Formats: sequence, C-alpha cells, structure tokens
Amino acid sequence: GAGVSQTPSNKVTEKGKYVELRCDPISGHTALYWYRQSLGQGPEFLIYFQGTGAADDSGLPNDRFFAVRPEGSVSTLKIQRTERGDSAMYLCASSLMGQNNEQFFGPGTRLTVL
Amino acid sequence: KNQVEQSPQSLIILEGKNCTLQCNYTVSPFSNLRWYKQDTGRGPVSLTIMTFSENTKSNGRYTATLDADTKQSSLHITASQLSDSASYICVVSAASGTYKYIFGTGTRLKVLA
Repeated sequence: GAGVSQTPSNKVTEKGKYVELRCDPISGHTALYWYRQSLGQGPEFLIYFQGTGAADDSGLPNDRFFAVRPEGSVSTLKIQRTERGDSAMYLCASSLMGQNNEQFFGPGTRLTVL
Repeated sequence: KNQVEQSPQSLIILEGKNCTLQCNYTVSPFSNLRWYKQDTGRGPVSLTIMTFSENTKSNGRYTATLDADTKQSSLHITASQLSDSASYICVVSAASGTYKYIFGTGTRLKVLA
C-alpha cells in the first residue's frame, strides 16, 4: 500500500480481556516498530523487528505484551489481561533497513480499556 | 539517561505570524535529530532530519536549526497557517542504535484565524 496502515483505528475493551492490534507496513520495508503514546506525551518505543525476528523488545512493559511478525510483513501486537493503564495510542512504523532510514508512521490504534 | 525536552508545552498564535519551538536533548552519542508534525489522532509525519554536521535545514515554511555543541535544536515556522495546528515532536537517535527514536513530549501549536 501507499502507507502504513493499522487496524482497528479504535478499540474499546474491558479490563482483563485480550486484544490484538494489527500493522501493515509499507511494501518492501523490512524494519517495523511499535510505539505507545499516552495522552500529551511523546511515543515510547516498544519493539523493533528486522524481518521476522524481534531485534529489540526492550520496550515491552511486561510479559502481557507480545508482538509477532511471522512472514516479515504484517505485524500483530498482542496484549493479554488488559489493564486500564494500557489505554493509549499504539503507533506502528516501518522503514527500509540500514542506518538513519526514516520511519514512516501509521495512523495508530486508540485502545481504551474500561 | 537519554532525554529530549521541548518548550513551550503549548503555544497559540494568530494566522500569518511566525513562531519558534525549542528542543534540548541529552542523547549521547548523537546521531541525528528529526522534527515531526503530528495532527490530532494521526501518526507523526517527518518534517526535517539533521545530522551532526548540519546547522540548518528547511522544508517550505519550516526551518530547523541544530547546535550540536549545546545540544539544542529549534523549529521555526514562518507565516503560519491554520493547517499548522498540530503537535510538533523533536526526535533524536543515538549512534548506538539509530532505530530507537527518543521522542520529546511535543509542543502543541494552535493557529487561530
């Protein structure tokens, strides 16, 4: 596609439920990133994929968060046993491999945990 | 600790006026600095990127400056338009891992008619 797409655009769930957030990167971009952005704050790094593998998952807050990218394209961020504090905008970005390549961001998924 | 701080937190100006946003960082070793524009409810969009050796970079009405010695950057917006209303985020990459963007908290700009 022309840009990074994310689905759903909004997700409302109840505390304790499981959610999946999807990211479709720009075609040909082998690097993919997940960020979390709380209201009034800048995005915070969660995880970085090179191809199918997670090259850096140091930003994942705890073991309730997990992300996959099985075929090196689409990625899914999975959150188990959601908590109210998980409510945020989840942003996905993709880039070409290599140093200093620009990350292109998707529109985000707004997650609200009631 | 690698940090990026921005000021002011928010700004209101009249259409047609100029404004300057500030960014201070403590990221080391420094690789590059970007300014992004983020419309409400949307993902950030890149405006400029500067490396250590660059002092100024322009993109239309947007001009970014970088002083790597004092670790400061500014984004100057000329002849503001209503569509400039957005959050402007300063993003720094460290040479030890340029993929890991370090974001500032942003400056929320509102341009009034």
